[in-house]
Amino acid sequence: GAGVSQSPSNKVTEKGKDVELRCDPISGHTALYWYRQSLGQGLEFLIYFQGNSAPDKSGLPSDRFSAERTGGSVSTLTIQRTQQEDSAVYLCASARDRAFLDTQYFGPGTRLTVL
Amino acid sequence: AQTVTQSQPEMSVQEAETVTLSCTYDTSENNYYLFWYKQPPSRQMILVIRQEAYKQQNATENRFSVNFQKAAKSFSLKISDSQLGDTAMYFCAFMNVSGNTGKLIFGQGTTLQVKP
Repeated sequence: GAGVSQSPSNKVTEKGKDVELRCDPISGHTALYWYRQSLGQGLEFLIYFQGNSAPDKSGLPSDRFSAERTGGSVSTLTIQRTQQEDSAVYLCASARDRAFLDTQYFGPGTRLTVL
Repeated sequence: AQTVTQSQPEMSVQEAETVTLSCTYDTSENNYYLFWYKQPPSRQMILVIRQEAYKQQNATENRFSVNFQKAAKSFSLKISDSQLGDTAMYFCAFMNVSGNTGKLIFGQGTTLQVKP
């Protein structure tokens, strides 16, 4: 079946603008994760969804970052008032259940560049 | 808090030879999983191998095997008969099962180049 997809593949924005990044998980996967990959910080966890709820938001770096998931499927990560330090690759992953029960499958990521 | 350390930023190996990538981690937990992920230039993270901490036997997947030393908190990846397609960035990752979320904590990564 289809894998995890993310859109857009690349996004260039100006400092101060809001951006939305989208993740389409594998059909039937209830767990969804967002990670950020940046030169300075490496690969870091942002948020975990189980269904439509987010029991772990501990990785969101500031209140400018928010995420939602609707219908237990698509998730959107929103960054408000973007800053240059937000430039990174944002990766989404999904699993049939919490990922200690099943493998996390990653999408190709969205490369965000903030000018 | 758990941490994962990969001390080799870059490595290279000749095609058909064997290479070992190092990973150490720090945790006070007893129930956890460890992973190696591969990230080729396409950016798509691919699971290479997974090890449950309660298993003493080292995991093996075809040409990939691990040396899991729980007491030393070490988890190295051995790639045998290296192929050009193995060229990628490799990440070691830790998952605390007790945390009940399944989030991964990654090392800084090792860039592996396989030379023809």
